[in-house]
Amino acid sequence: EPEVTQTPSHQVTQMGQEVILRCVPISNHLYFYWYRQILGQKVEFLVSFYNNEISEKSEIFDDQFSVERPDGSNFTLKIRSTKLEDSAMYFCASRGTGRQETQYFGPGTRLLVL
Amino acid sequence: GNSVTQMEGPVTLSEEAFLTINCTYTATGYPSLFWYVQYPGEGLQLLLKATKADDKGSNKGFEATYRKETTSFHLEKGSVQVSDSAVYFCALSDRTSGTYKYIFGTGTRLKVLA
Repeated sequence: EPEVTQTPSHQVTQMGQEVILRCVPISNHLYFYWYRQILGQKVEFLVSFYNNEISEKSEIFDDQFSVERPDGSNFTLKIRSTKLEDSAMYFCASRGTGRQETQYFGPGTRLLVL
Repeated sequence: GNSVTQMEGPVTLSEEAFLTINCTYTATGYPSLFWYVQYPGEGLQLLLKATKADDKGSNKGFEATYRKETTSFHLEKGSVQVSDSAVYFCALSDRTSGTYKYIFGTGTRLKVLA
């Protein structure tokens, strides 16, 4: 069964460093998402991406964040200058076409900013 | 705005007990509703869904019915097993945004004792 994959599974970084989280969505999906879950809190929407551009972003997704689909398979989230409060689990998700609303999630990347 | 409210956890049950995890929502229009499960160390897996009022989603012995009158989507299982121990998330698909982003509840941790 097709699945969403994410790398790395864990990342530890120093405050102020740049990190890139990678995701490979399901191959025929067209809509892509990033969510994050700070420890003990709810899963929050960050950004959605369709047709090579951001279709919606939350207020969390400020200028320090960017997303890219550099090729036909990868979908990346970059945090330009990490802060302590960026420590969280980051989930990538994808869904198919049109009215197919079900999203399929990757296993997540746990980011720890020291 | 749209929101999801889930009962606080953790919920601790003995094996074969009946499970209910409450979920209510506030939304413009009639969103699709989902339950996701997160096993320890893993990502979010779709458990069941319902796309319109009075629909019942079911999977692996779990059920939830989309109740428009009470704006609820409570998760139930007649007889839980130790292997059901996980965190359960209720979510809605925000149709008003056009991106169908998810809005999650806080998650409910279930622990089943042998």
